[in-house]
Parts: sequence; structure tokens; C-alpha cells
Amino acid sequence: AQSVTQLGSHVSVSEGALVLLRCNYSSSVPPYLFWYVQYPNQGLQLLLKYTSAATLVKGINGFEAEFKKSETSFHLTKPSAHMSDAAEYFCAVSDSGGYNKLIFGAGTRLAVHP
Amino acid sequence: EAGVTQFPSHSVIEKGQTVTLRCDPISGHDNLYWYRRVMGKEIKFLLHFVKESKQDESGMPNNRFLAERTGGTYSTLKVQPAELEDSGVYFCASSPLLAGHFNEQFFGPGTRLTVL
Repeated sequence: AQSVTQLGSHVSVSEGALVLLRCNYSSSVPPYLFWYVQYPNQGLQLLLKYTSAATLVKGINGFEAEFKKSETSFHLTKPSAHMSDAAEYFCAVSDSGGYNKLIFGAGTRLAVHP
Repeated sequence: EAGVTQFPSHSVIEKGQTVTLRCDPISGHDNLYWYRRVMGKEIKFLLHFVKESKQDESGMPNNRFLAERTGGTYSTLKVQPAELEDSGVYFCASSPLLAGHFNEQFFGPGTRLTVL
């Protein structure tokens, strides 16, 4: 069975600081991995996805994530946080290219302080 | 192009009542998914339609939940009778049906259901 663990339900950073949101997954098949972001009163928006091509994936708004099979991790990073990055972030895994259900982590709420 | 829409945005009902949630997917998207997030927990899959057929309903919690997608367009999720533990945010997502391609799921804003 597939599962996702997000370490840290709340992360707080200063504006301009590095953002690091952690995600570890478990999958018996080669996984497809995703990061979604939810801004207040909005639906989930896809930030980036890993679909077995390049292990370093670049997404929108300056975010990127690196797939590390040996560590079963897919951590999300951004070199310099902006106030507008404050949101909740979800890591998800699928056994298909998004056709089948997504298995989500519990989410990490990111706060950015001036 | 309009995104996935859900109605209502909020619903407050009493235990034992019935509530129907509606989801309108992006036009032309044959895949439609329902997910639920109970407060503080992860978003969990409920079911998946392909057009009007249920592809996977393994996440439906019990027979108090009934999902339909008549005509393969919008979908409804009815909870009858509602229980306290049904409270949460119900998300709908849709994606195109493109064989051999990545099918990004586009999410709606969710319906927040509160059962008192």
C-alpha cells in the first residue's frame, strides 16, 4: 500500500529564508509524486510533479523538489521565501500518472514572517 | 475556462439530516474524483468516476454516502443520514481522459460540511 508522511504540520520561516518542506513516501511500485498548494479559500493547485523523468523537478513560483529513491523522499524547497508563499502544502503519491487516486500526506502549513 | 466548481461552499446541518453536495467538473473532463479532509487529518480519496461509471469507490466510508454522476457531467454526493464524524471538507477534482498521458487532477475549492 502507498502512504505519505509529511514531517512538521507547521513550518515558520522569515521572508527571504530557505523553505524546506519534508515528504517521505512508501510505494511498492515506481511512484508518481506530487506537491499541491492550497491558498485560503481556494482549491488545491498543482505545484510540481515527478513522473520518472528528471529527479530534480521544477515547479511554479520558484519551488522545486528532488526525488531520492534511496531515501524515499520528495522534499520541497524554495531558496527564498516570499510572503505570498504562506499556504498549506500537500505531498501526494499515485501509482499512475494521476489517473488513479491520489494518496495525500497530512499537509504542512507554511507561515512566512517579515 | 471555468475551473472545478462546488456547491455549497459551506453547509451546517444537524445530525440525522440529509445533505447533498454538488460538483461541476471542468468541461470535457471525463474523470471526476471526490476526496474528504477531516479536520487536521490527511485528504482521503472517496471515489472516482469515469464518465458516468464508478471506476473506484473503495474510499466510501459506508452506505450513508451515495455518489452519482448522471450523464457524465456534474456529480452529487449525498450523505443520509449525516453523523458527527462526517464533518470535514469535501473536495472534488477532475481530469481529462488522455491515454498514455499524465492526467493532472484539478481541484475545486471544497465544501465545508459541519454536522452538529
